[in-house]
Amino acid sequence: SSELTQDPAVSVALGQTVRITCQGDSLRRYYASWYQQKPGQAPVLVIYGKNNRPAGIPDRFSGSSSGNTASLTITGAQAEDEADYYCNSRDISGIHLGVFGGGTKLTVL
Amino acid sequence: EVQLVESGGGLGKPGGSLRLSCAASGFTFSSYSMNWVRQAPGKGLEWVSSISSTSTYIFYADSVRGRFTTSRDNAKNSLSLELNSLRAEDTAVYYCARQESNNWGDFFDYWGQGTLVTVSS
Repeated sequence: SSELTQDPAVSVALGQTVRITCQGDSLRRYYASWYQQKPGQAPVLVIYGKNNRPAGIPDRFSGSSSGNTASLTITGAQAEDEADYYCNSRDISGIHLGVFGGGTKLTVL
Repeated sequence: EVQLVESGGGLGKPGGSLRLSCAASGFTFSSYSMNWVRQAPGKGLEWVSSISSTSTYIFYADSVRGRFTTSRDNAKNSLSLELNSLRAEDTAVYYCARQESNNWGDFFDYWGQGTLVTVSS
């Protein structure tokens, strides 16, 4: 299968830790990348590879992977982290980056 | 500073055509694969197409294969997406995205601001 599955919605109390997961067969072979998207804005890369953050992404964002599941963890969630989060990976054949998860809406309470 | 600027969106009729462009600057365009990703109103991200740095490899999502054509002009630092046989379900914001590929995998490190395509009669 070339599908990635995410929970549609997750909530977290301000300052607490939240994990957003992404499941799919392709994740057994390929790293996931994670994108944050706020309303009316383009997606922004927050995690790539095993656990790498682009410049400017706070270190409260981290990534991990086990088996067919990739996770994005926000340690000490802030109000500005409220957004949609999408995972992405290569398709199972490895040919292209054509697989996105359905997205997780994160609410910071 | 890396910049990707899409243009060409607008209103298209069912069965009609549109051509989107993405102007790249701030990096060596000819060294990177590029992608189109779209997002229907209120929906998630959907990968549309990718094109390798020298146009050798071009891939399409099943939903657009045979109707959309991706091309690039490395001399002009430009990426294009030709949309033909438009359908209502092609209504979306279309983003161009740079693909980075390194030891840490493959990912979209820069995105444009998007251009809206609306398909309606």
